[in-house]
Amino acid sequence: SAVISQKPSRDICQRGTSLTIQCQVDSQVTMMFWYRQQPGQSLTLIATANQGSEATYESGFVIDKFPISRPNLTFSTLTVSNMSPEDSSIYLCSVDLGLDYGYTFGSGTRLTVV
Amino acid sequence: AQSVTQLGSHVSVSEGALVLLRCNYSSSVPPYLFWYVQYPNQGLQLLLKYTSAATLVKGINGFEAEFKKSETSFHLTKPSAHMSDAAEYFCAVGGGYQKVTFGTGTKLQVIP
Repeated sequence: SAVISQKPSRDICQRGTSLTIQCQVDSQVTMMFWYRQQPGQSLTLIATANQGSEATYESGFVIDKFPISRPNLTFSTLTVSNMSPEDSSIYLCSVDLGLDYGYTFGSGTRLTVV
Repeated sequence: AQSVTQLGSHVSVSEGALVLLRCNYSSSVPPYLFWYVQYPNQGLQLLLKYTSAATLVKGINGFEAEFKKSETSFHLTKPSAHMSDAAEYFCAVGGGYQKVTFGTGTKLQVIP
């Protein structure tokens, strides 16, 4: 399997500011995924990030709000822009290692916007 | 299209009792099914997966799940609950070339 390092693990941010979350994988992967888990809810896919191409966003998520970078096969960032209290969530990155391992997740970034 | 339904957002069991967490799925193609566990303030950890091999799947920490196509179910069980099993459990469908869709989660409480 793979080890995913995600940081920061938590942050408290002022509304109107932006936060960039980093995700580092210890092996090369084609696809990386960013999820949001709002308080008391399940995981919602924000976007899929492939190296060398624009991220693919799910319905309800836009690039201006959640810009994603994928500069190489082991690293990705998600930025939460112009934050509001409604953005307070856990953000998780994930990689698909194939059916033998399923999706592997980072430990998450717990974001609180005040 | 695919979806999962987890019955019961909260389940309480006594320590040593059987754990049963229910998951029903809907998929237009043969499904890949997963159970994940999330401990407080942590990410998700894969418990077990079904990928069209044996219908009874054994996972980590003594958990297992049985794929029942006729019932479109993939319920998670453990014969004897331990205090350390208290967590939130997510059923998911998809994988491979399909996007993974997660259920709404079931919080398991273990009573001493």
